[in-house]
Amino acid sequence: GENVEQHPSTLSVQEGDSAVIKCTYSDSASNYFPWYKQELGKRPQLIIDIRSNVGEKKDQRIAVTLNKTAKHFSLHITETQPEDSAVYFCAEEGMNRDDKIIFGKGTRLHILP
Amino acid sequence: EAQVTQNPRYLITVTGKKLTVTCSQNMNHEYMSWYRQDPGLGLRQIYYSMNVEVTDKGDVPEGYKVSRKEKRNFPLILESPSPNQTSLYFCASSVGQTPGELFFGEGSRLTVL
Repeated sequence: GENVEQHPSTLSVQEGDSAVIKCTYSDSASNYFPWYKQELGKRPQLIIDIRSNVGEKKDQRIAVTLNKTAKHFSLHITETQPEDSAVYFCAEEGMNRDDKIIFGKGTRLHILP
Repeated sequence: EAQVTQNPRYLITVTGKKLTVTCSQNMNHEYMSWYRQDPGLGLRQIYYSMNVEVTDKGDVPEGYKVSRKEKRNFPLILESPSPNQTSLYFCASSVGQTPGELFFGEGSRLTVL
């Protein structure tokens, strides 16, 4: 069945450095790849997403890259700041809403002062 | 204000006592879904609804029921709760049939004794 592997489960980076979180998926029909950020005690919120017809998307310090051949996509955060500390979830979904949304298990990102 | 509202936010109950977690959205979204979040397991989809009177099972539907009689409401029903249903539950909604951003409620923390 569909599966999303997310790595690492925990990541600590020095403030100002870059952070990279990777996800691999198994369903070749997957078409939509969002990333959600969940701060402590809060709800998940979308920070960036990418669709299968695009290889890379950037929004200020955040970027997502997609390699459909290898079935993996990555979240890149540059110039990390304390407010980037959170749990990040990747997810994948097919062409239609009828396809189930599958989330990765999450990465807890710590930004060290 | 556009929002997804869940109630109750916190609940402690006992095994076998039926309960309902309500979810309401004011954005006229067609798609609504329920997730449970457990440590180390990420977000897992319980049920989803593409539109009124249309519901489908997610990855972990056992022990849960849902209904979608109105577009704005999507209650989650636990007919006979068990301790393994102790979890943090999130309701989410999205615009329509095409995969896109999920707007999450604030979460409902349920403890079954």
